[in-house]
Amino acid sequence: AQSVTQLDSHVSVSEGTPVLLRCNYSSSYSPSLFWYVQHPNKGLQLLLKYTSAATLVKGINGFEAEFKKSETSFHLTKPSAHMSDAAEYFCVVSPSDFNKFYFGSGTKLNVKP
Amino acid sequence: DTAVSQTPKYLVTQMGNDKSIKCEQNLGHDTMYWYKQDSKKFLKIMFSYNNKELIINETVPNRFSPKSPDKAHLNLHINSLELGDSAVYFCASSQELTGVDTQYFGPGTRLTVL
Repeated sequence: AQSVTQLDSHVSVSEGTPVLLRCNYSSSYSPSLFWYVQHPNKGLQLLLKYTSAATLVKGINGFEAEFKKSETSFHLTKPSAHMSDAAEYFCVVSPSDFNKFYFGSGTKLNVKP
Repeated sequence: DTAVSQTPKYLVTQMGNDKSIKCEQNLGHDTMYWYKQDSKKFLKIMFSYNNKELIINETVPNRFSPKSPDKAHLNLHINSLELGDSAVYFCASSQELTGVDTQYFGPGTRLTVL
């Protein structure tokens, strides 16, 4: 069975400070993992994805995530938050043999000036 | 622009009505999806189609009927709308069915049932 747990429903950081959004998954198969971002009243945009290549994945807008199999985690990080990063972030797991996405419940990132 | 597009963006209607949401992708993808995002922002897959054939049907009420006239389109028709159908509906597409493939999402359609 596949599932995704996003440990924090809300994260608040100051502009210029690091961002950490946590994601843990369970999967019966070797999964692909994704992070998507949803800005207010907008659609979902792919930030980055892991598909069994390098465990440290770099995405757009300075975000990166590290796949840790031993911890079943795929946390999203960014060294320095920008006001435009304020949005909802979704961690997604997909079994490698079938393109069925399982979404986490989302983490709302607030960036304070 | 290459993209996944949905129409309408907003849909407000009365209970009991029948409505359709259209989705088109010009990415040349073979697989298309419909997702429902509830008020708690939780996204759940409803349907997926590959080359116009239904692949996934996640125990969605049969009031919901997807229709794929060609690979580039996957429309969602909803009969006898209920209050609980109010949500944001996202269309998505991917090239293949395998899990490594990225899904590209449309902007969403916010459905409000009164």
